[in-house]
Amino acid sequence: KNEVEQSPQNLTAQEGEFITINCSYSVGISALHWLQQHPGGGIVSLFMLSSGKKKHGRLIATINIQEKHSSLHITASHPRDSAVYICAVIHFGNEKLTFGTGTRLTIIP
Amino acid sequence: DTGVSQNPRHKITKRGQNVTFRCDPISEHNRLYWYRQTLGQGPEFLTYFQNEAQLEKSRLLSDRFSAERPKGSFSTLEIQRTEQGDSAMYLCASSLEGFYGYTFGSGTRLTVV
Repeated sequence: KNEVEQSPQNLTAQEGEFITINCSYSVGISALHWLQQHPGGGIVSLFMLSSGKKKHGRLIATINIQEKHSSLHITASHPRDSAVYICAVIHFGNEKLTFGTGTRLTIIP
Repeated sequence: DTGVSQNPRHKITKRGQNVTFRCDPISEHNRLYWYRQTLGQGPEFLTYFQNEAQLEKSRLLSDRFSAERPKGSFSTLEIQRTEQGDSAMYLCASSLEGFYGYTFGSGTRLTVV
């Protein structure tokens, strides 16, 4: 069982829709990352969170440490947002990232 | 600094051949990580270095795999006697000790035929 669970696995939406991707983890963490991966493989770090909420443009990330849950929201979605979004955590006392399996997002014009 | 650089971007090799990948991290970052990603899965940890010391290796890293970071700067990942199951994207990332921010390279996609 993966220690980091994401939902949904696949998401298709119309341009302009509000998107939510969820991430749950099972043990305490030092930090959580939201990452974006386009076809071709390169990974871009979108957010790093240890508490609260962060916003960058149309992207918003929240984390609830007590509930061990984080969400990534995309407002006014656009076809260029189509990518795989991956949640990854750093556990206490550890240095490496543990990744979720990703959410494949497709935005239809 | 141009970020984390990985070479080559793509590698096709015959089963049984040896391959070597290179990662150049962000120069100020003293930590360097290797991950492997197979199709449809999230990346999995292989190994990481702090400066030139290899501090942790995953059990995924069989005897055919070896990684080095000889001067605490660039790193190489070698796979000997490649097998078809080694086909994957090999990702490198770097970070600075004490900070949780990661920077990823574009990856090396290995295809073993």
